Amino acid sequence: NAGVTQTPKFQVLKTGQSMTLQCAQDMNHEYMSWYRQDPGMGLRLIHYSVGAGITDQGEVPNGYNVSRSTTEDFPLRLLSAAPSQTSVYFCASSYSNTGRDYGYTFGSGTRLTVV
Amino acid sequence: QKEVEQDPGPLSVPEGAIVSLNCTYSNSAFQYFMWYRQYSRKGPELLMYTYSSGNKEDGRFTAQVDKSSKYISLFIRDSQPSDSATYLCAMTGHTGTASKLTFGTGTRLQVTL
Repeated sequence: NAGVTQTPKFQVLKTGQSMTLQCAQDMNHEYMSWYRQDPGMGLRLIHYSVGAGITDQGEVPNGYNVSRSTTEDFPLRLLSAAPSQTSVYFCASSYSNTGRDYGYTFGSGTRLTVV
Repeated sequence: QKEVEQDPGPLSVPEGAIVSLNCTYSNSAFQYFMWYRQYSRKGPELLMYTYSSGNKEDGRFTAQVDKSSKYISLFIRDSQPSDSATYLCAMTGHTGTASKLTFGTGTRLQVTL
């Protein structure tokens, strides 16, 4: 049982490049979400999904796309990287929509730098 | 004004001290409250989960929720150096649809020998 696995752990991009951050969970969780963490800002929700084929925007969705073709995977795509997207990205999954009883399980994060 | 306010610290205490961490919030719809612990360069891990008002105890940790004051607390008894981490409060109120956790900015705690 690996929990939530994020790859890569580190990435440096040039402005304008695109890339996909991978997230996979093996807990059969329906709910998955992507957060970014910036100093003094806390964790902010980018996109979330309530199940395969269903996604929606969070607080800071601009510049990011997501899709959910399977229950296990929830990749985050940066369309055209900008320095403002330099951040630590966390994927999280949950058994229930409120995180009840088990809370949300987070991955170990991807540190992204855009130069 | 942010929906959830949390003192960023850092908070430095000696080993064995009782630690009190707090968050205030403005959204009266919040009813599920969580505390996460985050070690440096790691993802947050769930520490405590509380529904509505009241207390919940788990070992050295006690979570309190006062919905009338919109105030939540985490107490750590007999603090240890291994408790040194950033503590994030999080909350949500949505049911029936995907919920969106709203986080505080985190309080950095340092427990010294």
